[in-house]
Amino acid sequence: EAQVTQNPRYLITVTGKKLTVTCSQNMNHEYMSWYRQDPGLGLRQIYYSMNVEVTDKGDVPEGYKVSRKEKRNFPLILESPSPNQTSLYFCASSFGLAGAETQYFGPGTRLLVL
Amino acid sequence: AQSVTQPDIHITVSEGASLELRCNYSYGATPYLFWYVQSPGQGLQLLLKYFSGDTLVQGIKGFEAEFKRSQSSFNLRKPSVHWSDAAEYFCAVDAYSGAGSYQLTFGKGTKLSVIP
Repeated sequence: EAQVTQNPRYLITVTGKKLTVTCSQNMNHEYMSWYRQDPGLGLRQIYYSMNVEVTDKGDVPEGYKVSRKEKRNFPLILESPSPNQTSLYFCASSFGLAGAETQYFGPGTRLLVL
Repeated sequence: AQSVTQPDIHITVSEGASLELRCNYSYGATPYLFWYVQSPGQGLQLLLKYFSGDTLVQGIKGFEAEFKRSQSSFNLRKPSVHWSDAAEYFCAVDAYSGAGSYQLTFGKGTKLSVIP
């Protein structure tokens, strides 16, 4: 089944404790991205990757890191989480960057930073 | 930079009634337009998209949307709402952001409640 998977689905952590949220897709997509969703703000892009070893900042990259060492995986790293990073995070992927490409979303990771 | 406005934060309709969710965008050229739906506790699912051709686009679950260039709008419609349509709906614009890449920008969403 074609899908984007994220782990963990739920995470509670404390300020400053490094964490990684994994994202994996099995559709051989080149383009992957991370979004955060906050009430009243919709989805905002954190980082995106156009291919292996190619990443770039989205609209809200502060406090986050990413890496793309393999085509299928795009982990999101919070090296020193803060309470304002409490949010719902979505990973997405698509075949490419052409404007009409459909992005496929993972199920989301709900993060609470105390 | 492109932007998307969904003027209605929350809409309540009766089951069987018609539905229209509004979406306005700001972009210098014709963008690629999408509607996504997010059911409670779920990820986002594509309902439909427009990128060229017929301005009336049919999607899944009986939804349709009409692109109106003169009004910079891409409103989502359904003739008869079902209780299972209760969800949050997001309009999105995919527009060229330079350096050969596109960026998908979402509206803030419209939450739909359905009264039995």
